[in-house]
Amino acid sequence: AQSVTQLDSHVSVSEGTPVLLRCNYSSSYSPSLFWYVQHPNKGLQLLLKYTSAATLVKGINGFEAEFKKSETSFHLTKPSAHMSDAAEYVCVVSSNDYKLSFGAGTTVTVRA
Amino acid sequence: DGGITQSPKYLFRKEGQNVTLSCEQNLNHDAMYWYRQDPGQGLRLIYYSQIVNDFQKGDIAEGYSVSREKKESFPLTVTSAQKNPTAFYLCASSIDTGELFFGEGSRLTVL
Repeated sequence: AQSVTQLDSHVSVSEGTPVLLRCNYSSSYSPSLFWYVQHPNKGLQLLLKYTSAATLVKGINGFEAEFKKSETSFHLTKPSAHMSDAAEYVCVVSSNDYKLSFGAGTTVTVRA
Repeated sequence: DGGITQSPKYLFRKEGQNVTLSCEQNLNHDAMYWYRQDPGQGLRLIYYSQIVNDFQKGDIAEGYSVSREKKESFPLTVTSAQKNPTAFYLCASSIDTGELFFGEGSRLTVL
């Protein structure tokens, strides 16, 4: 069995400040982990993925995430938020048989 | 450009009507998926198909049906048996890495 918990349903940051979106997972196997971004009434777009290579993963738009097996976490960060980062962010875990579990999502708002 | 096309983007249905949502991909992916998205919940899997002419029920298949007659196409029918069909529906495809490629979604509203 596997599951994903996004610890914050809503995060609000000021433009230019760091963003931290937290994701914890449980999985019986060595998982693959993904972060997707979703803008209103749009599909999900892949930001980055971890598939058992380097534990620090760099993605698009300046985002990165660190896989920490001991903490079963895959938190997403960005050093400096931009107004265009306002969106929904979804953490996803995939097991060996490619079944996917989705987090409930974190809504990010960016204040000018 | 390769991608996934969903249509229509918005759809309104009267109670008791069946509606079909289209999903077409030109990525040459074998696997295709339909998800339902409701506010405050993670995506939930309705149906998936790993090869042509084969598909499997997901976690919430009741009230839905699909077909996979062509590799590029995976239409979803929301039947009158679906008790609460108002939602945002997302189609996706993948190769064998678990990474999904999503369409833009279809928003269905029952009047």
